[in-house]
Amino acid sequence: DQQVKQNSPSLSVQEGRISILNCDYTNSMFDYFLWYKKYPAEGPTFLISISSIKDKNEDGRFTVFLNKSAKHLSLHIVPSQPGDSAVYFCAASDSGATNKLIFGTGTLLAVQP
Amino acid sequence: DVKVTQSSRYLVKRTGEKVFLECVQDMDHENMFWYRQDPGLGLRLIYFSYDVKMKEKGDIPEGYSVSREKKERFSLILESASTNQTSMYLCASSFTSGSPLGYEQYFGPGTRLTVT
Repeated sequence: DQQVKQNSPSLSVQEGRISILNCDYTNSMFDYFLWYKKYPAEGPTFLISISSIKDKNEDGRFTVFLNKSAKHLSLHIVPSQPGDSAVYFCAASDSGATNKLIFGTGTLLAVQP
Repeated sequence: DVKVTQSSRYLVKRTGEKVFLECVQDMDHENMFWYRQDPGLGLRLIYFSYDVKMKEKGDIPEGYSVSREKKERFSLILESASTNQTSMYLCASSFTSGSPLGYEQYFGPGTRLTVT
């Protein structure tokens, strides 16, 4: 049973426009959410996170929104740049002692010049 | 700067061979993790360790074992490699903490394993 879902396997956006990546989760015990970015042949790198006590967190061009009632989070990238082309994974944790993360299946973002 | 290194970037093994994948982190992290990444399936947790000599099964532990004899090193062992274990293997580490610092996992570059 997939507890964290990214229903769009891919997304194509023009340079300069907004990219919106979506993620849904089923476990109401999740209280911390992260986005990772992965280039081919590299490990994922941390991008941005949000605690369940917030509904928005912003870091430069990246903003994550959390809607707890809908169990939905989204990552907005504005403006999108060709270097943003990568696979994006959302992840969630229920703050257990080991801070284990549950990852989604990923969305491949292609930013067209 | 956190560094997680993996012993090989690419590995080709034959069916039935015993395979060792090594991971080393230099940030004194308590937690270490092994994942595999497959197209359409995302990152799936194989095993994790929250302390030396401690280990817990993740979501897909069958066919794998792990070893953590030192805090900085976490090994993944494929006892008898099979073709369905062809995958990208990723190691990660993190602090144990109730603060947000503990959630962020740092990943190595990955090992692309092909079993023929």
